[in-house]
Amino acid sequence: DIQMTQSPSSLFASVGDRVTITCRASQSVSSYLNWYRQKPGKTPELVIYAASSLQSGVPSSFSGSGSGTDFSLTISSLQPEDFATYYCQQSYSTPWTFGQGTKVQI
Amino acid sequence: EVQLVESGGGLVQSGGSLRLSCVASGLTFSSYAMSWVRQAPGKGLEWVSVISGSGGNTFYADSVKGRFTISRDNSKNTLYLQMNSLRADDTAVYYCAKNWLSTPESYNWFDPWGQGTLVTVSS
Repeated sequence: DIQMTQSPSSLFASVGDRVTITCRASQSVSSYLNWYRQKPGKTPELVIYAASSLQSGVPSSFSGSGSGTDFSLTISSLQPEDFATYYCQQSYSTPWTFGQGTKVQI
Repeated sequence: EVQLVESGGGLVQSGGSLRLSCVASGLTFSSYAMSWVRQAPGKGLEWVSVISGSGGNTFYADSVKGRFTISRDNSKNTLYLQMNSLRADDTAVYYCAKNWLSTPESYNWFDPWGQGTLVTVSS
């Protein structure tokens, strides 16, 4: 199975800050890497697919990059609704696996 | 707009069984693979299973293989998860999610997700 490791596990930031979350795969997943945001008490929602493609309706403040084993999600200017937990997920091969999550706190 | 509504969760004793359902609307259901993803209380996300649009291909996480069975009825726009031999560590919110493609290929993601249904297994 492919293991996904995110860092950091949590971080504190302020509205307007630039934030970067990284995700590392235990083996190459090419560009088959997706990012989800889960607001407290809510359902996860897709923000980035295929490493760098922005999901429709997601603000352009979100961007994704990387390929192979190393990926990152950047939020260029944090908004109040962005304080949430973020998960990376590889779809390169089943079992599809998620990172452990990164909690972005105020 | 695609909508997914899960049901069937509840409290069950260890060793028991439960069947979850997910009714989909706003899409050509048979054109998409569908997945179940779960989240234990206070924990992260864990993919459970996926089924192709035709229902002919299924894959499972090792943690549920041999105990859970995913299926679908395309005439009813409904996805199922039959869960047998339930254990305390199966306690979680179970989400159904639509995949991008009709088959479980690499170029795939989960969008959208249902609101989830809580399964609690008591020991």
